[in-house]
Amino acid sequence: SQQGEEDPQALSIQEGENATMNCSYKTSINNLQWYRQNSGRGLVHLILIRSNEREKHSGRLRVTLDTSKKSSSLLITASRAADTASYFCATDAYPGGTSYGKLTFGQGTILTVHP
Amino acid sequence: NAGVTQTPKFRVLKTGQSMTLLCAQDMNHEYMYWYRQDPGMGLRLIHYSVGEGTTAKGEVPDGYNVSRLKKQNFLLGLESAAPSQTSVYFCASSNTGTGGNYGYTFGSGTRLTVV
Repeated sequence: SQQGEEDPQALSIQEGENATMNCSYKTSINNLQWYRQNSGRGLVHLILIRSNEREKHSGRLRVTLDTSKKSSSLLITASRAADTASYFCATDAYPGGTSYGKLTFGQGTILTVHP
Repeated sequence: NAGVTQTPKFRVLKTGQSMTLLCAQDMNHEYMYWYRQDPGMGLRLIHYSVGEGTTAKGEVPDGYNVSRLKKQNFLLGLESAAPSQTSVYFCASSNTGTGGNYGYTFGSGTRLTVV
């Protein structure tokens, strides 16, 4: 079963606009991470937010975490055509014991940024 | 450059054939993981290792075996390939502590087709 559910499945915007993707999960977590995957490539780690953090920034990325709602959002500001990719949330969860660092991935949001 | 290297990048197998996928990392990471990525399914964990000489099953281990004889290498074996194992396979490594892992480094993937 999928720990992370992402919304929307696909997002199409114009360059310069902001893009927001959401992720919901089911169990308690150590942390939640966001990854980017360009077509035909491996995943690249973008940002990690721990369960005791509520917001984190990295360049044009802003991630929020609401553990009471078991949800997170990724905001990309001032998007560029180069941001076109699939974005995945992943949770490091520990229901009933240590996670051993295992991540459970959502199905991803396909972001298309038009020049 | 430091990172995770996967070989081969592409492979076509006939049903019943065997093969081994190699993952090598040069970051001295303790933890290594094998995932498969299928359309609409996100990434699913096959097997993982928390250190040299250790392996454990993930979410979808059936039909696969793994070995971690050296810390830097994690091998994924298919003893008798089936069409259902057609997928893109990703290896990842991480440093992991009590607060969970600090983010994966992914390889570029192996695209496997079983006919």
